[in-house]
Amino acid sequence: DAGITQSPRYKITETGRQVTLMCHQTWSHSYMFWYRQDLGHGLRLIYYSAAADITDKGEVPDGYVVSRSKTENFPLTLESATRSQTSVYFCATDRLRQGTDTQYFGPGTRLTVL
Amino acid sequence: GNSVTQMEGPVTLSEEAFLTINCTYTATGYPSLFWYVQYPGEGLQLLLKATKADDKGSNKGFEATYRKETTSFHLEKGSVQVSDSAVYFCALRRSDSNYQLIWGAGTKLIIKP
Repeated sequence: DAGITQSPRYKITETGRQVTLMCHQTWSHSYMFWYRQDLGHGLRLIYYSAAADITDKGEVPDGYVVSRSKTENFPLTLESATRSQTSVYFCATDRLRQGTDTQYFGPGTRLTVL
Repeated sequence: GNSVTQMEGPVTLSEEAFLTINCTYTATGYPSLFWYVQYPGEGLQLLLKATKADDKGSNKGFEATYRKETTSFHLEKGSVQVSDSAVYFCALRRSDSNYQLIWGAGTKLIIKP
């Protein structure tokens, strides 16, 4: 049971290029999330999705696009990468059947924009 | 609004020392409280949780008690090991929230042999 997988694990790209980070879950959890983690900022929510074809903005959505055509996949696209988007990106899922449920995290993707 | 405040790190201790990482929160209603741990190079994983006042969450020798009167959820461990070196995050979920976890900034813990 793989749980949550993210790919690639490491990515180096150049300013202005489009980059897509993949997230796949095997649990069929309703909710999926994208966070970025930066020193001094902790975790910041970029986008989330409550179900297939339902997405919404989080705290820092500018410069990012998401889609969720299938429950198990939640790709994050940087349409035109900037250096400020250098970060570690985490995908997470949640059943959210009740408030005591918790989020489950993938291993992360370390993105460097040159 | 809702927020979580953690003590700043890094916290450096010797092996077998007693650990406390402070976490206080501001929230409406009756939130659930969580501690997550992030080991180097990995994603976050749930360490423990408490869902109502006076509940104690525990796991792997770590404990935290939900204190509504002081709005706190401090993480403690009686004797730390080098393998406990990690970043620890405190988080809350409001009882009326449909999805969102509110995160603290994280506290880096370094245990020296």
